[in-house]
Amino acid sequence: AQSVTQLGSHVSVSEGALVLLRCNYSSSVPPYLFWYVQYPNQGLQLLLKYTSAATLVKGINGFEAEFKKSETSFHLTKPSAHMSDAAEYFCAVSDLGAAGNKLTFGGGTRVLVKP
Amino acid sequence: EPEVTQTPSHQVTQMGQEVILRCVPISNHLYFYWYRQILGQKVEFLVSFYNNEISEKSEIFDDQFSVERPDGSNFTLKIRSTKLEDSAMYFCASTGTLAGEQYFGPGTRLTVT
Repeated sequence: AQSVTQLGSHVSVSEGALVLLRCNYSSSVPPYLFWYVQYPNQGLQLLLKYTSAATLVKGINGFEAEFKKSETSFHLTKPSAHMSDAAEYFCAVSDLGAAGNKLTFGGGTRVLVKP
Repeated sequence: EPEVTQTPSHQVTQMGQEVILRCVPISNHLYFYWYRQILGQKVEFLVSFYNNEISEKSEIFDDQFSVERPDGSNFTLKIRSTKLEDSAMYFCASTGTLAGEQYFGPGTRLTVT
């Protein structure tokens, strides 16, 4: 069974500072990995995805993530936080099988950006 | 930009009542999903649906739950006899290909009293 662990349910950063959100996964097959963002009262929006191509993945809004197989990690970073980055972020791994492509999510990390 | 829509945004129901949560996936998508998130917990997979049948379901998706695509545009989740523990945010998602990005709707918050 696949699982995802996000270290830190809440992260507080200052505007302009580095954002680092940690994600570790376990998977018995080569994984597809995703980061989603959820703004208040909205659905989940895909930030970026890893599907076995380049290990450094660039996404929307200046975010990027690096797949490290040896560490089973897929941490999300952004060099300079904006106030608009305040949201909840979810890491997910895909179980891409013949039956479907269900996502297994981590617990989420809520980001607070301080002025 | 096409989007997944869900209605209602908030549903309050009494324990034991039936509820139907509605989703309109993106029009040319073929794979459909329901997930739920109990307050303070992880987003959990419930069921996937393709070619008018369930392709995979989780342990949560017991006999009280059913899904249907009644008219080629809507995708519904029915809970036959709601329990207090069914209170959660329910998300619908769709994708055009098996490995494609899943597009999520804004969710329906179900409150069972």
